[in-house]
Amino acid sequence: GAVVSQHPSWVICKSGTSVKIECRSLDFQATTMFWYRQFPKQSLMLMATSNEGSKATYEQGVEKDKFLINHASLTLSTLTVTSAHPEDSSFYICSATDLYGYTFGSGTRLTVV
Amino acid sequence: GENVEQHPSTLSVQEGDSAVIKCTYSDSASNYFPWYKQELGKGPQLIIDIRSNVGEKKDQRIAVTLNKTAKHFSLHITETQPEDSAVYFCAPITGGGNKLTFGTGTQLKVEL
Repeated sequence: GAVVSQHPSWVICKSGTSVKIECRSLDFQATTMFWYRQFPKQSLMLMATSNEGSKATYEQGVEKDKFLINHASLTLSTLTVTSAHPEDSSFYICSATDLYGYTFGSGTRLTVV
Repeated sequence: GENVEQHPSTLSVQEGDSAVIKCTYSDSASNYFPWYKQELGKGPQLIIDIRSNVGEKKDQRIAVTLNKTAKHFSLHITETQPEDSAVYFCAPITGGGNKLTFGTGTQLKVEL
């Protein structure tokens, strides 16, 4: 079946630094990739949608200058949290879709100290 | 944004019993209705899905039923086992595009 690899699985960074999270579709080419954020005991909230070679579309209230998304190929999308602050601490999850459905990565636990 | 609600928010059953979780959505154009299982610290895993041209789908102990007129669909788990304990999310496509909108989630606990 379809596999999406997300790295790192967890990261701790200092306030003010930037962190990059990678999302790769391992055995299929993803037409679209999605980035979600999940706070403890809450649902997944869509942050942005990205298509290969074009700019990401951000959901209302998500700062595009803070959460930089690059979708350079059909199998790789990256999310960079710039100038991270403690309130950015969360569980970030990517998803990739092709004609058959949606596959989710295993998530990245970001802690900003 | 689109409204997607789940009931109940928590569900506790005895091993071997059945569990039913209902998802209500507001977008009448929705045409794809998946259910995901999320274990602690992991990403969501698809357990079953249904498209709008079908009313019911079953896969061993898991089934999904869809009522498009009433705009709700339900997850049915029979013969529950402790390993079914997790948070379950419905996530219908909404907004006319290809975005999934996740429901509010249901914490299922299967007790021995």
